[in-house]
Amino acid sequence: KAGVTQTPRYLIKTRGQQVTLSCSPISGHRSVSWYQQTPGQGLQFLFEYFSETQRNKGNFPGRFSGRQFSNSRSEMNVSTLELGDSALYLCASSRDRLTDTQYFGPGTRLTVL
Amino acid sequence: TQLLEQSPQFLSIQEGENLTVYCNSSSVFSSLQWYRQEPGEGPVLLVTVVTGGEVKKLKRLTFQFGDARKDSSLHITAAQPGDTGLYLCAGDGGSEKLVFGKGTKLTVNP
Repeated sequence: KAGVTQTPRYLIKTRGQQVTLSCSPISGHRSVSWYQQTPGQGLQFLFEYFSETQRNKGNFPGRFSGRQFSNSRSEMNVSTLELGDSALYLCASSRDRLTDTQYFGPGTRLTVL
Repeated sequence: TQLLEQSPQFLSIQEGENLTVYCNSSSVFSSLQWYRQEPGEGPVLLVTVVTGGEVKKLKRLTFQFGDARKDSSLHITAAQPGDTGLYLCAGDGGSEKLVFGKGTKLTVNP
């Protein structure tokens, strides 16, 4: 079966702009989690959605937001981009993150200039 | 805040050598997971350990969970170039948020 897909794979933006990233989970998976990966901080949890509801949130500012649609596809939005937002953004899907294995997508590489 | 410290941060060895990667914390975790991430890809789950003292083997990889469930190790026997990648440990401390270590970047030279 098809894996987790993320679009776009690469993105270049300038400071102050906003960006929307998309994640399509594996068919049948209702949980989608988002992570930010940087060389300095490693992988950090952003938030998790389950059946269109945000179930958990990491320690990121309100500029980072997300949503999940009825077909389980998820988007995350970052407003007023800062240089420090440059990172690999990963999403992971599972039937239920609390009890099931997470499968990661390849990520979206965001560069903020 | 729960933290996972991984060591070493970088490891470069020759094919056929053995190695051990460590994942330590001052916090107790209900479970620990090990992932491998290759360039341009997302992490892939290798194993989950749940019980203190548990040892799991996956071919040439041996994973151990500390008795107190605060630390874990990954031992690779006779490393091969295909083992090259970023090895990440992650803990689920019960707060429903997965906490990751910063990873160990392993390079196995032929």
